[in-house]
Amino acid sequence: GENVEQHPSTLSVQEGDSAVIKCTYSDSASNYFPWYKQELGKRPQLIIDIRSNVGEKKDQRIAVTLNKTAKHFSLHITETQPEDSAVYFCAASSMGKLIFGQGTELSVKP
Amino acid sequence: EAQVTQNPRYLITVTGKKLTVTCSQNMNHEYMSWYRQDPGLGLRQIYYSMNVEVTDKGDVPEGYKVSRKEKRNFPLILESPSPNQTSLYFCASSPLRARVNEETQYFGPGTRLLVL
Repeated sequence: GENVEQHPSTLSVQEGDSAVIKCTYSDSASNYFPWYKQELGKRPQLIIDIRSNVGEKKDQRIAVTLNKTAKHFSLHITETQPEDSAVYFCAASSMGKLIFGQGTELSVKP
Repeated sequence: EAQVTQNPRYLITVTGKKLTVTCSQNMNHEYMSWYRQDPGLGLRQIYYSMNVEVTDKGDVPEGYKVSRKEKRNFPLILESPSPNQTSLYFCASSPLRARVNEETQYFGPGTRLLVL
């Protein structure tokens, strides 16, 4: 079935450094790729998303890139801050079905 | 306040005792969905609904039922719960998919279920 692989599972960076999380998907019909941030004990919240007709999207310190040919997309966080510490999930959507990656636990050390 | 609500937030039950987790949204969203979250497995979609009376299976539908009799409600039913259904459950809703840039899914607060 459809699958989304996310790497790494854990990521530790120093405050101010950049963080990159990568995902690959299997369903070539996927056309919408959201990223969610989940803080401990809280619900997932959308931080950025990209559609299949766009290669890159930026929102302040966060950017997402999409390579449809290779079926992979990445989240880039620049100038990381301690409040960026959370679990991040990528997802790929096709016709209502949303498949999530396994999550990346990001730790930003002051 | 625009929101997705779930009830109950916490539930302990025993194997085989039917239960229902309610989900309600006040944003007039067409799309609603249920997920379960387990350590190391991320979020997995159970069922989703594109509109009233329209439901489809997600990735892990076995052991679950849903109904969408009205737009705002999307209850999750476990007819005969088993211990492997112990999990954290999230309901989510979203505007109509056909609209560009309006596919954001708004998640409810979660329901933590323990089946003994």
